[in-house]
Amino acid sequence: AQKVTQAQTEISVVEKEDVTLDCVYETRDTTYYLFWYKQPPSGELVFLIRRNSFDEQNEISGRYSWNFQKSTSSFNFTITASQVVDSAVYFCALSEPDQTGANNLFFGTGTRLTVIP
Amino acid sequence: EPEVTQTPSHQVTQMGQEVILRCVPISNHLYFYWYRQILGQKVEFLVSFYNNEISEKSEIFDDQFSVERPDGSNFTLKIRSTKLEDSAMYFCASSRTRTGANIQYFGAGTRLSVL
Repeated sequence: AQKVTQAQTEISVVEKEDVTLDCVYETRDTTYYLFWYKQPPSGELVFLIRRNSFDEQNEISGRYSWNFQKSTSSFNFTITASQVVDSAVYFCALSEPDQTGANNLFFGTGTRLTVIP
Repeated sequence: EPEVTQTPSHQVTQMGQEVILRCVPISNHLYFYWYRQILGQKVEFLVSFYNNEISEKSEIFDDQFSVERPDGSNFTLKIRSTKLEDSAMYFCASSRTRTGANIQYFGAGTRLSVL
């Protein structure tokens, strides 16, 4: 079973539109962490945000906002007033620390966002 | 801003050859990781490394793979006898701590092409 599901494979929006990228996760742990990474065309993985399972407060950072809802096991990412530079593949990831503290990341399959000028 | 650096950016090799992918983690980080991303697919965990030994490895990380921290700065991934299916982007990451809260910072990746 997929631990992280990003159902949207590709999304295209016109510049200045808002766009939401969905992420649904699955875990039996009560303590876990969720992340979003951005992979621009250059290929690197850029950290965007980390959220722990005990903090359901939504977060806003400039044009980016994240909506964490434990009731639906979702951690969605919204870009407001999208720009061409936002074009990238966005990955949602889950960390489930085990008793030893090991914390490898489980990634979703990513959503390719294309912002059309 | 400190960053994880990986070399080379692209490695082409013949099937059966050994390759070594190199990474320089962020200097004050203690935990190191390798992930791979087959073209068009998700990023998959390979191995984590701390205190000169493997902390955790996935089922992908079989006997063909090994990791090493040969000196105080480099962290390497060796594939002993490459197969066609090893063609992928390999990402190195590092983190300051090991807890689940830690942020793993990734390098730009090495694209490995096995012919």
